[in-house]
Amino acid sequence: RKEVEQDPGPFNVPEGATVAFNCTYSNSASQSFFWYRQDCRKEPKLLMSVYSSGNEDGRFTAQLNRASQYISLLIRDSKLSDSATYLCVVTYDYKLSFGAGTTVTVRA
Amino acid sequence: DTEVTQTPKHLVMGMTNKKSLKCEQHMGHRAMYWYKQKAKKPPELMFVYSYEKLSINESVPSRFSPECPNSSLLNLHLHALQPEDSALYLCASSQDEGYEQYFGPGTRLTVT
Repeated sequence: RKEVEQDPGPFNVPEGATVAFNCTYSNSASQSFFWYRQDCRKEPKLLMSVYSSGNEDGRFTAQLNRASQYISLLIRDSKLSDSATYLCVVTYDYKLSFGAGTTVTVRA
Repeated sequence: DTEVTQTPKHLVMGMTNKKSLKCEQHMGHRAMYWYKQKAKKPPELMFVYSYEKLSINESVPSRFSPECPNSSLLNLHLHALQPEDSALYLCASSQDEGYEQYFGPGTRLTVT
């Protein structure tokens, strides 16, 4: 079983729509959780850390469910510029594990 | 400033060449990383330096040799690479191991 699993998508959504997707992790002792976005042929950029209480940054909301071992990302009012691959990252023992990414395409 | 810089942006090298990739950060971060990323795959960890000492080597072939001259710089020396080593090489840094990482723009390497 992979350490971090994501639905690869693609999620094709119209502008203004809400899109949400999850990431599951296998190690119950995982310590920290992040979402990164990566544009084609660019480096991953930190989108947000994910805290136990959940957190929001503008149109983006991240949740952590330790009992079921998943994190989620919700994007409200999608913009064309939100089109990217979203990487779920989980840490254990100081080491990061990356999911394979979820591709989101926002269409006009 | 959360900037990590990498040079060169692109590199084409033959299998007998020796080249080096460079990475620099001025955020005072104590952990630095090298990753390799192939198309449509997530980054794969190669090396971790913590407080200028090699902390993790993910069983990387010896044709890749990392070096950390000081707390701001990280190099990756390349020698006798194979065509399958062609990839995007990403450098990252973090405040300490396990913290969120900030990536440089990468070096796109082609081995001919």
